[in-house]
Amino acid sequence: NAGVTQTPKFQVLKTGQSMTLQCAQDMNHNSMYWYRQDPGMGLRLIYYSASEGTTDKGEVPNGYNVSRLNKREFSLRLESAAPSQTSVYFCASRAEGPEAFFGQGTRLTVV
Amino acid sequence: KQEVTQIPAALSVPEGENLVLNCSFTDSAIYNLQWFRQDPGKGLTSLLLIQSSQREQTSGRLNASLDKSSGRSTLYIAASQPGDSATYLCAVRPSGYALNFGKGTSLLVTP
Repeated sequence: NAGVTQTPKFQVLKTGQSMTLQCAQDMNHNSMYWYRQDPGMGLRLIYYSASEGTTDKGEVPNGYNVSRLNKREFSLRLESAAPSQTSVYFCASRAEGPEAFFGQGTRLTVV
Repeated sequence: KQEVTQIPAALSVPEGENLVLNCSFTDSAIYNLQWFRQDPGKGLTSLLLIQSSQREQTSGRLNASLDKSSGRSTLYIAASQPGDSATYLCAVRPSGYALNFGKGTSLLVTP
């Protein structure tokens, strides 16, 4: 009964380093999303994937890339991390129905 | 762009009180509205989802209403308990795939 699983849960990067945040869902959902959550800003959409093989930019895509590897997995890549990317990142998924399900988040600090 | 506002930003009540959290949105053309709970350092847990054609949804001590024409939703919590202490997030899904979030209401229920 895993739902949406994100790895890692915590990460500290140095400015300029790269990393990939992983997300997998076991609910056979078509749509997957990446959000970031910052104090005072709420959750903002970075990228989303409406189906396997498609990705689209959200509100704050700059500095990020994504890959919809298959129906289960949707990864978020930071090619050259910046302190402004310090945030909590959430992955979510949704089937054809309306309800969205969220992972537990990845806390990223860029120093 | 759809703007979602939650009032109040923070609320402290004694145990046993009934309370109302408010959410407003600028564009009434929505597919649905979802209320989430977020505990500190945790992910988002879906509480209630209201389709655009519905007026309210209930789950236990929680009742959410939707007035799409006026761009408002309320989350009513009956007989509050210390375990209800969390941040409550309102999110609307306009046309398209992704949710637009408010910044949340931080609730503290004191024994």
